[in-house]
Amino acid sequence: QVQLVQSGAEVKKPGSSVKVSCKASGDTLSSYAISWVRQAPGQGLEWMGGIIPISGTVAYAQKFQGRVTITADKSTSTSYMALTSLTSEDTAMYYCAKMLSGTWFDYWGQGTLVTVSS
Amino acid sequence: NFMLTQPHSVSESPGKTVTISCTRSSGSIDSNYVQWYQQRPGSSPTTLIYEDNQRPSGVPDRFSGSIDSSSNSASLTISGLKAEDEADYYCQSYDSSSHVFGTGTKVTVL
Repeated sequence: QVQLVQSGAEVKKPGSSVKVSCKASGDTLSSYAISWVRQAPGQGLEWMGGIIPISGTVAYAQKFQGRVTITADKSTSTSYMALTSLTSEDTAMYYCAKMLSGTWFDYWGQGTLVTVSS
Repeated sequence: NFMLTQPHSVSESPGKTVTISCTRSSGSIDSNYVQWYQQRPGSSPTTLIYEDNQRPSGVPDRFSGSIDSSSNSASLTISGLKAEDEADYYCQSYDSSSHVFGTGTKVTVL
């Protein structure tokens, strides 16, 4: 059974950056793809992008291109999501999720709340 | 990119059946698998249905998924509705470049 444990809540100023981590246990990270999904307060789920650690292949949603970077450290089974130029509209819960067959999300992290406020 | 549109909310009494639709805006609904996730307040989503109509182990058979090419939509049916089914439900699919979630449906058990 895979567990994804994310880093703790963050409070950031507008214009700054944030980096959220997602550590996998129970299986090696390189065995599957990881996606990042965010959810603004009271809103729906939004896919941001994903990575296949074994190949380093990344894909980003068009909306976040140029502002998000997703990486993976196979040695520590940890994926990272960095988001720059934060605005109040980036206030959201950020989830990492393990992907199966590249098509669906079978395990989710507990979420990391990022609050952007001056 | 395409969109997946769901009804904002549905309500029904315990023991009844509800069906949630998920309509794809462009491209064929049957060109890529559709998944369904349940999200209870304050919790991470969990998978109810994958690959259109498959249930992960542990998901009750009260939950079922289907595809209707004629309406270009997918559906999640919850039968024998229970109070614990009160949650938000999201469909999800993908194309060659991205994954897309539906707009979400709040299910209220009366």
